Formats: sequence, structure tokens, C-alpha cells
Amino acid sequence: TQLLEQSPQFLSIQEGENLTVYCNSSSVFSSLQWYRQEPGEGPVLLVTVVTGGEVKKLKRLTFQFGDARKDSSLHITAAQPGDTGLYLCAGARRGSSNTGKLIFGQGTTLQVKP
Amino acid sequence: NAGVMQNPRHLVRRRGQEARLRCSPMKGHSHVYWYRQLPEEGLKFMVYLQKENIIDESGMPKERFSAEFPKEGPSILRIQQVVRGDSAAYFCASSPYPVPGNTIYFGEGSWLTVV
Repeated sequence: TQLLEQSPQFLSIQEGENLTVYCNSSSVFSSLQWYRQEPGEGPVLLVTVVTGGEVKKLKRLTFQFGDARKDSSLHITAAQPGDTGLYLCAGARRGSSNTGKLIFGQGTTLQVKP
Repeated sequence: NAGVMQNPRHLVRRRGQEARLRCSPMKGHSHVYWYRQLPEEGLKFMVYLQKENIIDESGMPKERFSAEFPKEGPSILRIQQVVRGDSAAYFCASSPYPVPGNTIYFGEGSWLTVV
């Protein structure tokens, strides 16, 4: 059973389109992180959200943490080929607060075609 | 990623040999985590250490795997008598303590191939 379900698993879009990636769970998380991973590299942190309902923006990327802290979304506006990569959500469950013990989703592979 | 140093980046071992993966945390970080990414699978937590102390090893296989973070030097993940199923990318991450927002920073990984 996957504690953090990401959808979609694969996404191929044209440059300029918008997209949303979802990260869902039936469990409550103390915080959620989004990472981006390139082939052959380690995950690079994009954002951390900790408060239910929180919205954070990073240029064309908008991250939202659900009110109940069970889900999160990543929205990309006007996608560019440079956004291509594997997007991972990860969370710390209550009880793992103040640690780096994270549960990861399976990832969303995004391809943006020029 | 800057600052968490892992080596070797790529390691090839024959079945039955030992693999040692090293990790130096970011400057100022006192806690180290090891994660494993198997082909076609997501990242899985293995172990969480501070200097000279294992805090949580609930994700570590019971046999053949061990981890340490000595007072001096890098953290080491050791896999004895490797098997083909150990082939994976092993990522180290580090954090300060307390861990604000549970945020950790990953190294670039060590890719182990068992032949």
C-alpha cells in the first residue's frame, strides 16, 4: 500500500500548457515537501509546506497543502521544456515530526515538448 | 543538493562482495539519513543517524546492511555479501537538528550495480 499516492504517474504536454500534479493520502502529515529529480541525480528540494491550507509560489510553480494536511498539489503555469523531470512529493507523518524520516510518493514523470 | 557529498557515485560489485558508500553531510548539519531508490520504485527510508548514534533503523534490511556515523569522518552505509537485488541508487541526506519543516537535503547519490 502506497501511503502517498501521486497522480498522474506520467504526463507529456506541449510547451506553454498548464498542469497539476496531485499527492494524496488518507493520513495526516506534519509537513509535505516537493522535490524534483533529474536522471542520475539526487532529489532537489523545491518547497516545504507545513500549515494546512498553505499556498506557496515559486515563479511559475504553485504549491498547495490541503486544509486537513492529507494532500498537496503542484501546479505549473506555462510549462517549459526545462520543467521536464521527475517530481516527488514526500511527507513526515505525525510521530516523525522534527525528523527527516520521510515517506515518498512514486513520483510524476513530466515531459514538456517544445 | 550543494554540500551533501556522496562517494563513490558509481560502484560495481560482484555478488558476495562488500559495498561501502560514504556520505559527508552539509556543513552545520548533525543528522544523516540514508534512502534507497530501487529501479521503478520510489525512495524508501532506510536509516537515520546522528554522530555515534543510530536513531531510527526501521527501514534497514535486518541482514547484511549496517550504517554508522562516527565522531570523525563521513557516514558509511555498508552492504555485506551483495546480491543482485541490492542494485539501486542510494541517497544520503542531511539536516540540522531540530529539523525545521522536516526538510532534508539530498546528495547526488551512489549507484550500486551488482553483477
